[in-house]
Amino acid sequence: DQQVKQNSPSLSVQEGRISILNCDYTNSMFDYFLWYKKYPAEGPTFLISISSIKDKNEDGRFTVFLNKSAKHLSLHIVPSQPGDSAVYFCAANYFTGNQFYFGTGTSLTVIP
Amino acid sequence: DVKVTQSSRYLVKRTGEKVFLECVQDMDHENMFWYRQDPGLGLRLIYFSYDVKMKEKGDIPEGYSVSREKKERFSLILESASTNQTSMYLCASSLVREAFFGQGTRLTVV
Repeated sequence: DQQVKQNSPSLSVQEGRISILNCDYTNSMFDYFLWYKKYPAEGPTFLISISSIKDKNEDGRFTVFLNKSAKHLSLHIVPSQPGDSAVYFCAANYFTGNQFYFGTGTSLTVIP
Repeated sequence: DVKVTQSSRYLVKRTGEKVFLECVQDMDHENMFWYRQDPGLGLRLIYFSYDVKMKEKGDIPEGYSVSREKKERFSLILESASTNQTSMYLCASSLVREAFFGQGTRLTVV
């Protein structure tokens, strides 16, 4: 049973525009959320995270928004660049657990 | 910088072989994980370990076993490799809130 879902397998965006990647979760115990970026033939790298006590966290071009009532988070990339083309994974965990729960990923293509 | 190192980037093995994938982390992290990544299925947890000699099954443990004899090293073992185990294997470690991944091992079973 997938507790973290990314319903869009792929997304294409023009360079310079905004990319919005979405993620939904079902487990209300999750209190920490992360986004990872993965290039082909490499391991995922941490991008940005957010605690459930916040509703927004920003780091340069990347902003993550959390809507706890909807159990939804999104990653905004502004402006999008061709180097952002990668697979993005949403992940969640909770304080008393050891595991990370990953979504199925969204493949972002930024068109020059 | 946290470093998680997987022993091989690419491996080709024959059906029925016993395969060992090794992972080493240098940050004294308690938790270590093995995932496999397949198109459309995301990252699926095979096994994880929260301490030396401790292990827990993940979502897809069948056909795999693990070993953690030292804190920094976590090994994934394919007892008898099959073609449906062809995949990208990813090792990760964490202390609490963030997982750090190795570069991945692309395993092909022929």
